[in-house]
Amino acid sequence: DTAVSQTPKYLVTQMGNDKSIKCEQNLGHDTMYWYKQDSKKFLKIMFSYNNKELIINETVPNRFSPKSPDKAHLNLHINSLELGDSAVYFCASSQGTGPLGYEQYFGPGTRLTVT
Amino acid sequence: SQQGEEDPQALSIQEGENATMNCSYKTSINNLQWYRQNSGRGLVHLILIRSNEREKHSGRLRVTLDTSKKSSSLLITASRAADTASYFCARRNAGGTSYGKLTFGQGTILTVHP
Repeated sequence: DTAVSQTPKYLVTQMGNDKSIKCEQNLGHDTMYWYKQDSKKFLKIMFSYNNKELIINETVPNRFSPKSPDKAHLNLHINSLELGDSAVYFCASSQGTGPLGYEQYFGPGTRLTVT
Repeated sequence: SQQGEEDPQALSIQEGENATMNCSYKTSINNLQWYRQNSGRGLVHLILIRSNEREKHSGRLRVTLDTSKKSSSLLITASRAADTASYFCARRNAGGTSYGKLTFGQGTILTVHP
């Protein structure tokens, strides 16, 4: 199936740990994104890569580090996890970033719980 | 709010009725998109409307855009129980180097009762 996939779907970990979330898209898109959705369902962009180049880097603690080994993959590594990092993290992709706009395709999300 | 506002925050209707959700924003946009999120799932794109367009349709969905009022609305006609979900508007702001960045509203929770 063509889609955006994320692993793991659920992640429960303790404060201070380091964890990674992986994302892959097989849609042939050039651009990938990471979003964070909080408990109130507010969705905020964190990072975006276009052809492996970081193009959006919002005000996110530097404990969060994205990595794009190729344009089909965008991973998110989080160091020294804190309680406030608990949220659902979504990966998304789009064909491009032109001003006329492209729809974004979202993965199923990774629910991170920090205890 | 920088995100803009969606109204209402929650909407409860009976199957067969129409549902209208509104989205307001503060800055000029290139385009505005509507997404649906079923409980526990990722977002699904519904419609993209560009700043030079006023109305778009897709099946039972109708989106309007009024750039003078900086507002958009999503109408779902003849609603079904399966339409129960959260609906988000997302804006691509004009100008600058936004690189495809979308700014999402806080969403409207739609419940359609069978």
